[in-house]
Amino acid sequence: SQTIHQWPATLVQPVGSPLSLECTVEGTSNPNLYWYRQAAGRGLQLLFYSIGIDQISSEVPQNLSASRPQDRQFILSSKKLLLSDSGFYLCAWSGTNTEAFFGQGTRLTVV
Amino acid sequence: AQSVTQLDSQVPVFEEAPVELRCNYSSSVSVYLFWYVQYPNQGLQLLLKYLSGSTLVKGINGFEAEFNKSQTSFHLRKPSVHISDTAEYFCAVSDRKAGNMLTFGGGTRLMVKP
Repeated sequence: SQTIHQWPATLVQPVGSPLSLECTVEGTSNPNLYWYRQAAGRGLQLLFYSIGIDQISSEVPQNLSASRPQDRQFILSSKKLLLSDSGFYLCAWSGTNTEAFFGQGTRLTVV
Repeated sequence: AQSVTQLDSQVPVFEEAPVELRCNYSSSVSVYLFWYVQYPNQGLQLLLKYLSGSTLVKGINGFEAEFNKSQTSFHLRKPSVHISDTAEYFCAVSDRKAGNMLTFGGGTRLMVKP
């Protein structure tokens, strides 16, 4: 069966520090991968999606970037965090014509 | 492009009462429709989905939803809620032609009171 792992679960980082959130999927190949952000009291905003290695699309301009160095690995990064980057980050994967499956999320607090 | 509107940001309801969470969408192409539930500090869990066929879809935890193409709606219902149903509920659509990139509504917080 397929599983998705996302870590860390919580993270507190100072303003200006770098960020790296990692997501890996097991039990499937060539998944579509997604990063979403959920700000406090708001819905989910799609940040990045990827249909293959090194094929990444950004949905909104921001202080973040994403990379997919391997088929089932998706990394969300920032060189310098802003206070506004705080939120709940969710990684997800999907196959062909199926629903998306989500990781447990990372609660990022920038202080 | 698609969009999803969840008309109610919060829905308070007493335990064992029925509930309906509303969802309307707009899209120029055929879509798949989903409802997800999110418990505090957790990821999203799929409740149910509509891909094709019968417009009444049954999901987990006693929830069901009905696809209404003419009204572009996909409302979620449960005849009798429990305290444990307290959570955030998200309606989502994906474009059949563009794979599975989900567009989410803003979410509805269901608050079940004893």
